[in-house]
Amino acid sequence: GAGVSQSPSNKVTEKGKDVELRCDPISGHTALYWYRQSLGQGLEFLIYFQGNSAPDKSGLPSDRFSAERTGGSVSTLTIQRTQQEDSAVYLCASSLGGSDERYFGAGTRLSVL
Amino acid sequence: GENVEQHPSTLSVQEGDSAVIKCTYSDSASNYFPWYKQELGKGPQLIIDIRSNVGEKKDQRIAVTLNKTAKHFSLHITETQPEDSAVYFCAATSGGSYIPTFGRGTSLIVHP
Repeated sequence: GAGVSQSPSNKVTEKGKDVELRCDPISGHTALYWYRQSLGQGLEFLIYFQGNSAPDKSGLPSDRFSAERTGGSVSTLTIQRTQQEDSAVYLCASSLGGSDERYFGAGTRLSVL
Repeated sequence: GENVEQHPSTLSVQEGDSAVIKCTYSDSASNYFPWYKQELGKGPQLIIDIRSNVGEKKDQRIAVTLNKTAKHFSLHITETQPEDSAVYFCAATSGGSYIPTFGRGTSLIVHP
C-alpha cells in the first residue's frame, strides 16, 4: 500500500482479555517501530525491529506486552491480560533504515473497559 | 537516557500571526531533531528536521533553529493558517541510537 496500515482502527475490550494489533509497514522498509500515545502524553517508545536483527524491546512496559515481525514485514503487537491503564492509541511507524524518515500509521485506539 | 521537554502544551493564535514552540533536551550527544505534525485521527507526519551540524533550517513558512550549547531547539511557523491547527511534537535522537525521544506535544489552535 501507499502508507503504513494499522488494524483495527479501534478496539474495545474487557479487562483481562488479550488483544492483537496489526501493522503493515511500507513495502521495502526494514525498520519498524511501535509507540504508545496516551491522552496528553508524548509518544512512548515500545519496540523496534530492524531487518533480521534481534528487536530492541527496551520500551515494553511489562511482560504482558510482546511483539513479533514475521518475514520482515507485518508486525503484531500483543497485549495479554489487558488492564485499564493500557488504554491508549498504539502507533506503528516504518522507515527504510534506522536513520531515515519514519512514516506513521493512523494508529489503533485501544479502550479497556 | 534522553529527556525532552516541550513548551507550551497549548498555543492559541490568530490567523496570520507567528507561532513558536520550544523544546529542550538533556543528552549532549543528540544529533538529530525532527518535528512532527499530528492532525486529528491521523498519525504524526514529519514536517521538518535539523541535524546538529546546522543552526537553522527553513522550508516555506516553517523554520527550525538549534542551539547546541543551550541544548534547545524551536519550531517557528509564520503567517499561520487554520489548517496549521494540529498537535506538534519535537523529538531528539542520540548519536548511535535509532530511537527518538519525543516531547509531550503542543496543541496549536489557529483562529480564523
